[in-house]
Amino acid sequence: AQRVTQPEKLLSVFKGAPVELKCNYSYSGSPELFWYVQYSRQRLQLLLRHISRESIKGFTADLNKGETSFHLKKPFAQEEDSAMYYCARQAGANSKLTFGKGITLSVRP
Amino acid sequence: GAVVSQHPSWVICKSGTSVKIECRSLDFQATTMFWYRQFPKQSLMLMATSNEGSKATYEQGVEKDKFLINHASLTLSTLTVTSAHPEDSSFYICSAGGLAGGREETQYFGPGTRLLVL
Repeated sequence: AQRVTQPEKLLSVFKGAPVELKCNYSYSGSPELFWYVQYSRQRLQLLLRHISRESIKGFTADLNKGETSFHLKKPFAQEEDSAMYYCARQAGANSKLTFGKGITLSVRP
Repeated sequence: GAVVSQHPSWVICKSGTSVKIECRSLDFQATTMFWYRQFPKQSLMLMATSNEGSKATYEQGVEKDKFLINHASLTLSTLTVTSAHPEDSSFYICSAGGLAGGREETQYFGPGTRLLVL
């Protein structure tokens, strides 16, 4: 079964501090991996996907196949980064997404 | 960007009644739509996958006769909660998969529908 593990429920940091949100996935072929973000009272939206290898809002995530991880990182957190973050995997194009339990990031001033 | 709408945004109903939730892709054609359920402070749980013109594929443990899904067109899918009970109260979210604006295939999420069954 496809599994996505986000081991922490909450991460609280001060503004300007580095952030790392952990995500591990169960190995199965070549999954596509994503990070989704849900700001307060807003819909879930795609933050980034590993295929794109791009940086969005200062966030990056590198796929580590050896550790089956896809951790989300940002060197300097901003207050507006406070949100719920979900790691997700997809078996192939247009197939279902499997979500992790999510982590709440709280960035304090 | 791609927009997915849901209607209604919230609904309150009496136990035993049926509730229909609509999911529309506004500016792109969705080959596949997904229905999720989210409990407070918990992750999204996939309920079913629907493809236009064919029967939905339900996840294990989801009653297909209780949660009826219809995907009649490439821009509309509906979820009907039949004979709703208080335990069906939840936040229901749909997503639509497709190519939007020529970008690579991805899923776009609706704003969700909050259902409260009294």
